[in-house]
Amino acid sequence: DSGVTQTPKHLITATGQRVTLRCSPRSGDLSVYWYQQSLDQGLQFLIQYYNGEERAKGNILERFSAQQFPDLHSELNLSSLELGDSALYFCASSDGLVSYEQYFGPGTRLTVT
Amino acid sequence: AQKVTQAQTEISVVEKEDVTLDCVYETRDTTYYLFWYKQPPSGELVFLIRRNSFDEQNEISGRYSWNFQKSTSSFNFTITASQVVDSAVYFCALSGMNTGNQFYFGTGTSLTVIP
Repeated sequence: DSGVTQTPKHLITATGQRVTLRCSPRSGDLSVYWYQQSLDQGLQFLIQYYNGEERAKGNILERFSAQQFPDLHSELNLSSLELGDSALYFCASSDGLVSYEQYFGPGTRLTVT
Repeated sequence: AQKVTQAQTEISVVEKEDVTLDCVYETRDTTYYLFWYKQPPSGELVFLIRRNSFDEQNEISGRYSWNFQKSTSSFNFTITASQVVDSAVYFCALSGMNTGNQFYFGTGTSLTVIP
């Protein structure tokens, strides 16, 4: 158990809908990272937040957004969902700004039908 | 540009055989970090090792060992006396000091250990 929690574990929704994925980092970790793992794109970095501020951005679509709250939990919002957004979404956390070591949550499996 | 290549898509070995998973990386950063993660069938990502670019010492942890060679930009992972529980997808990843905090993952190598 990495100490990183993600909810929900599974999510099934229809195209065009909007969903919110939630992540709670390990106790004491200030950085939260979001990743998308799909069959065709592999494991891709989406975005990083550090202590409430966005610090790095990867291949995140404009339809996606994230935020980190004062209690350090983070939410990834996915809107206008398409079939291709079906994937496993991971959250990871680390204690510092630089990712010497990232601990991954169990992931949220999103299925868009 | 940052890039990680894991040329081996799938590997099958018989239990107790040794197996090496290859990882080749590209980076312009002089300071960078290399990682290996394991993803068992249950889906979670398990951190295995981190190596920084200044430390070329090989590392051994039980049946696992890692060979880091800057001259060939490789960070290979060897499992000795493989076991069925080693069956998983293994990812190599790269993070560079000058490219923010992005992790660049390889496409993974799926290892199947046959009993």
